[in-house]
Amino acid sequence: GENVEQHPSTLSVQEGDSAVIKCTYSDSASNYFPWYKQELGKGPQLIIDIRSNVGEKKDQRIAVTLNKTAKHFSLHITETQPEDSAVYFCAASMRGGSEKLVFGKGMKLTVNP
Amino acid sequence: DVKVTQSSRYLVKRTGEKVFLECVQDMDHENMFWYRQDPGLGLRLIYFSYDVKMKEKGDIPEGYSVSREKKERFSLILESASTNQTSMYLCASQLIGGDYGYTFGSGTRLTVV
Repeated sequence: GENVEQHPSTLSVQEGDSAVIKCTYSDSASNYFPWYKQELGKGPQLIIDIRSNVGEKKDQRIAVTLNKTAKHFSLHITETQPEDSAVYFCAASMRGGSEKLVFGKGMKLTVNP
Repeated sequence: DVKVTQSSRYLVKRTGEKVFLECVQDMDHENMFWYRQDPGLGLRLIYFSYDVKMKEKGDIPEGYSVSREKKERFSLILESASTNQTSMYLCASQLIGGDYGYTFGSGTRLTVV
């Protein structure tokens, strides 16, 4: 089955810096890759996703890139702000097959003011 | 906005008690999921359901059961709570199709004493 690995497990940056979170997946049939943000005391919330027919997607300060050949995808956050501090999860699934998302273990991002 | 509501934010139960965790979604999603979240272990799938009265085991079903009598409600049952079931429990729902992300509830922090 699918296996998603996420690294690093923690990241600390200064406000205004960029942050990159990387994930790799094992099943080349996976074609949907969402990213979730979990703030303290809350459930994870979908912030951006990408499908396998697209190499990059942007939404304001966040972007996701996908490299299907290497089977990895990354979340990029520019101009980080203290409110970006949270745990971020990547995930993968395959449309037309199992619809379950397989999650990475999460990365705790701390943005220092 | 889709809402997934978990009945309790915090719950304290005694070892051996039967515990019910309730989850309700209001957007007619077909798929529903129960995860537990523990530090360092990420999100682990307990059970999921693709339709009313249907259930499938996830990665860690031991000690748990589920019930889905109505489309909008998915209940997680701890038949005889144990201390190693102390955890954060997250419910999620998903529109069928496989390339839609999950919508999570806010979670239930269960402590078994």
